[in-house]
Amino acid sequence: NAGVTQTPKFQVLKTGQSMTLQCAQDMNHNSMYWYRQDPGMGLRLIYYSASEGTTDKGEVPNGYNVSRLNKREFSLRLESAAPSQTSVYFCASSSQRTGSYEQYFGPGTRLTVT
Amino acid sequence: KQEVTQIPAALSVPEGENLVLNCSFTDSAIYNLQWFRQDPGKGLTSLLLIQSSQREQTSGRLNASLDKSSGRSTLYIAASQPGDSATYLCAVTGTASKLTFGTGTRLQVTL
Repeated sequence: NAGVTQTPKFQVLKTGQSMTLQCAQDMNHNSMYWYRQDPGMGLRLIYYSASEGTTDKGEVPNGYNVSRLNKREFSLRLESAAPSQTSVYFCASSSQRTGSYEQYFGPGTRLTVT
Repeated sequence: KQEVTQIPAALSVPEGENLVLNCSFTDSAIYNLQWFRQDPGKGLTSLLLIQSSQREQTSGRLNASLDKSSGRSTLYIAASQPGDSATYLCAVTGTASKLTFGTGTRLQVTL
């Protein structure tokens, strides 16, 4: 049981390049989330998916797109990377089955845009 | 809009001391509150989750309390150890199970 996995772990992009961050969970959770973490700002929600087939914007969605490929996988795409998107990106998942809404996090992707 | 504040931003204590980390939030309509630990360059590890109907949760040397009406939570760490050095994050779950995070308290436990 791997929990939440993310690829890649590290990435360096040039301004204007595109890339997709991958996230998968094996806990049969309905909801999945993408956050970014910046120094002094805490973690901020980019997009979330309450269930398979649905996605919604979070606090900082501009410059990003997401795809909930199936129940296990939720990807985050940067179409045209900007230096302001240099950050650490975390994926998380949760289940409402037990009513706890506890979120489990992946190890993160460290992205640098030059 | 929910806002979560953690005080202090940084804390240094000698080994063996008991300590309290504070978290406050502005909207009391929450499902739960989670405390996380984050080591430098690493991901988040969930320490404790308190449901909105609960007052406290305990795990080993950690005890977290929740006073929803006043918008406050505390994380108590007993008999601190150098291995407890990390950043501690507080987060509340609101509508659509979305988490709102505080900016964390960076704890250093010295020998």
